[in-house]
Amino acid sequence: QVQLQESGPGLVKPSETLSLTCTVSGGSISSYYWSWIRQPPGKGLEWIGYISYSGITNYNPSLKSRVTISVDTSKNQFSLKLSSVTAADTAVYYCATLIPFDSSGYYWLGAFDIWGQGTMVTVSS
Amino acid sequence: QSVLTQPPSVSAAPGQKVTISCSGSSSNIGNNYVSWYQQLPGTAPKLLIYENNKRPSGIPDRFSGSKSGTSATLGITGLQTGDEADYYCGTWDSSLGVFGGGTKLTVL
Repeated sequence: QVQLQESGPGLVKPSETLSLTCTVSGGSISSYYWSWIRQPPGKGLEWIGYISYSGITNYNPSLKSRVTISVDTSKNQFSLKLSSVTAADTAVYYCATLIPFDSSGYYWLGAFDIWGQGTMVTVSS
Repeated sequence: QSVLTQPPSVSAAPGQKVTISCSGSSSNIGNNYVSWYQQLPGTAPKLLIYENNKRPSGIPDRFSGSKSGTSATLGITGLQTGDEADYYCGTWDSSLGVFGGGTKLTVL
């Protein structure tokens, strides 16, 4: 069973870059799609983006100019970088596996299957 | 404001049934599968329903999902106090992942 664990600084200064890593255990990072989702305190979920096992990325247009998701297969990890952060980026950040296609293998499914426990990131000076 | 519309809260007594609606449009629910997630207090969301009405292994059949046109519904029967949580619907809209604003379920 795949398990995910987020790690990274809990406090980031405004205008700096938020960097988080998700370590994958119990499965190969080359076999899935990987996603980041965040949740501001007391609010709902916001999808940030995903990376496929072939390295194709897709980002939320509202964050696209600031986001990079990458994979390190040697470490079985994938990462999130969000630049020029502001207080509005304060949130719990979750990494998750993404089931890309339905059982036919043809239609996009896009369900977030396994989630990490989440890590709180506060943007403050 | 969320792309998908859910009621902020619903409530019912233990043992009863409750439904949670999720309303969208032809660009999202109308042309994509819907998933549902349960977020117990202080924990990460968990996948409850995928592909509109399928349950992952380990999810009891008290939870069900359906979709009609541009709306989807999550049903929970035999309510238990442990079902108190926030529930989110999710789908895709022009390759963008979108969620509903969430519905807080209270089991009275």
